[in-house]
Amino acid sequence: DAGITQSPRHKVTETGTPVTLRCHQTENHRYMYWYRQDPGHGLRLIHYSYGVKDTDKGEVSDGYSVSRSKTEDFLLTLESATSSQTSVYFCAISGVGTGEQYFGPGTRLTVT
Amino acid sequence: AQSVAQPEDQVNVAEGNPLTVKCTYSVSGNPYLFWYVQYPNRGLQFLLKYITGDNLVKGSYGFEAEFNKSQTSFHLKKPSALVSDSALYFCAVRDGNNRLAFGKGNQVVVIP
Repeated sequence: DAGITQSPRHKVTETGTPVTLRCHQTENHRYMYWYRQDPGHGLRLIHYSYGVKDTDKGEVSDGYSVSRSKTEDFLLTLESATSSQTSVYFCAISGVGTGEQYFGPGTRLTVT
Repeated sequence: AQSVAQPEDQVNVAEGNPLTVKCTYSVSGNPYLFWYVQYPNRGLQFLLKYITGDNLVKGSYGFEAEFNKSQTSFHLKKPSALVSDSALYFCAVRDGNNRLAFGKGNQVVVIP
């Protein structure tokens, strides 16, 4: 999977608790992305990063924050998890000018 | 805004028959188009892309896609489907910020 790992791979948490998902790459790619995948919606972009400490919102960013302090790590935080954030979360990376993105294995998050 | 549409939720095809998965796009400017495949409990895998040049693009696992500017389509094709091609297929288009907008996906079922 193109040198991308995600942790944890599975998590069950309770409503109102904070959750942080980690994406780690070994490809030294500039761009990193967080998506969520839900039935009937395909993949929707949450946040993305175009460099260290450079991030921007995607189409479903409410309730999520991100940080990127190193090229290889991109963190997604749910400050106070809600049941609507139960989903499968994918991280992706992309190099400059290539366009295609490469995806990690995903994290299945369940908020009870 | 850039967008793609995948009009069919599911495509059923007999093993050995040709497989087509449809995608239409809406962009301002020249389109950068992509196809991805997702097997159960896995991340998305890049299949092929169209940037410029020949309208017939060849990709991984024997797949190809035909770009048609007049019909704003980018259909994925395989001459002879295999049972192992059963998966979820996504079409995507890139915007000017290196982000991808995905379609909702097509479930392909290849019947032995």
